[in-house]
Amino acid sequence: DFVMTQSPLSLPVTPGEPASISCRSSQSLLHDGNNFLSWYLQKPGKSPQLLIYFASNRASGVPDRFSGSGSGTDFTLKISRVEAEDVGVYYCMQALHPSITFGQGTRLEIK
Amino acid sequence: EVQLVDSGGGLVQPGGSLRLSCAASGFTYSNYWMSWIRQAPGKGLEWVAKASPDGRDKYYVDSVKGRFTLSRDNAKNLLYLQMDSLRGDDTAFYYCVRSADAAYDYWGRGTRVTVSS
Repeated sequence: DFVMTQSPLSLPVTPGEPASISCRSSQSLLHDGNNFLSWYLQKPGKSPQLLIYFASNRASGVPDRFSGSGSGTDFTLKISRVEAEDVGVYYCMQALHPSITFGQGTRLEIK
Repeated sequence: EVQLVDSGGGLVQPGGSLRLSCAASGFTYSNYWMSWIRQAPGKGLEWVAKASPDGRDKYYVDSVKGRFTLSRDNAKNLLYLQMDSLRGDDTAFYYCVRSADAAYDYWGRGTRVTVSS
């Protein structure tokens, strides 16, 4: 199984400051030139929404303050300047193995 | 506009059955992999099952193999999850999701399943 490990699990951030979340996979997610890693945000009381696919591609409508990077087993989601609406739980997900797995989630809160 | 409307949840006793449905619209349903993802109360996301565009290939998380059956009706743009032998740890919100570019780009609002006596 592909185990996804996120850190930190809790992230208090001051509005306007940057934030960074790490996601590590137990096996490489690189295949045919693409990293099968995506990021999601679940705002309170809402369904999750896609932020980033193939590790670094922003989904439609996602603000450019969100960016994804990394390759192989180590990935990062960065928010350049956190806004109040960014509060929620962030998940990474691997889709290389047929049995898809998520990270534990990182709860971002505003200080 | 892409829409996924999931339904069919409810309260069921341990050992009972439920069938979840997902009605898809706004896209060519038969071109996409479709999945169910669940979230137990206060917990993270767990992928449950997925079906290929033609429905021939299906995959399940180990914990539901032999108990849950995924199917799709491409003529009616519907996705189903038949859940049998339900257990307490199946209690969760169940989301119908569409897959594109190895990611889940559209999610339903979810339907709640509670397994309790």
